[in-house]
Amino acid sequence: GESVGLHLPTLSVQEGDNSIINCAYSNSASDYFIWYKQESGKGPQFIIDIRSNMDKRQGQRVTVLLNKTVKHLSLQIAATQPGDSAVYFCADTGGGQGEKLIFGQGTELSVKP
Amino acid sequence: DAMVIQNPRYQVTQFGKPVTLSCSQTLNHNVMYWYQQKSSQAPKLLFHYYDKDFNNEADTPDNFQSRRPNTSFCFLDIRSPGLGDAAMYLCATSRDLPGIEKLFFGSGTQLSVL
Repeated sequence: GESVGLHLPTLSVQEGDNSIINCAYSNSASDYFIWYKQESGKGPQFIIDIRSNMDKRQGQRVTVLLNKTVKHLSLQIAATQPGDSAVYFCADTGGGQGEKLIFGQGTELSVKP
Repeated sequence: DAMVIQNPRYQVTQFGKPVTLSCSQTLNHNVMYWYQQKSSQAPKLLFHYYDKDFNNEADTPDNFQSRRPNTSFCFLDIRSPGLGDAAMYLCATSRDLPGIEKLFFGSGTQLSVL
């Protein structure tokens, strides 16, 4: 089965609020994690990644937090905008040789104006 | 400019009629992947090429084949499409393996099987 999964399938937030999307992974040997955004009818788009030697990484309006103790990953989006509406996937290499990327279920983010 | 290009955007085929989906890249990346994505589901890896080295996932049906004639192009062949093969097919590339380099995805080909 998939090594990565998401807690909630849908998330609705008000424009301007912060969004938090969660992800759990099962393989403690996973060492690379990545978040993708997928808009309707398009391919996944890279957002941010993090390696297991880090706990936090920040990008433009996005922050990824990694808690290796409980095998949990989260994506925080600051000041959520309507253009952030999409499905968000976390993925990791499953602790293998790094030869493939395994995707979690996905969370659909809806931003209300 | 698009870096991973998939053609066609939409493909309709008949049950049992062979179909080929195309992917090209301008990134000169070593690795090319094919993912299958059904509605409201996560992308599922079918296979990938590291240069000319083909790597098939254990649960990929024999009905799915792939060719990579050169660095830039990769094809997905479905020999006898069934109704269950209707899905979005995503091509992706990376300079090196995912544990080292991130993947870049194309816009996908939506396959319908009638």
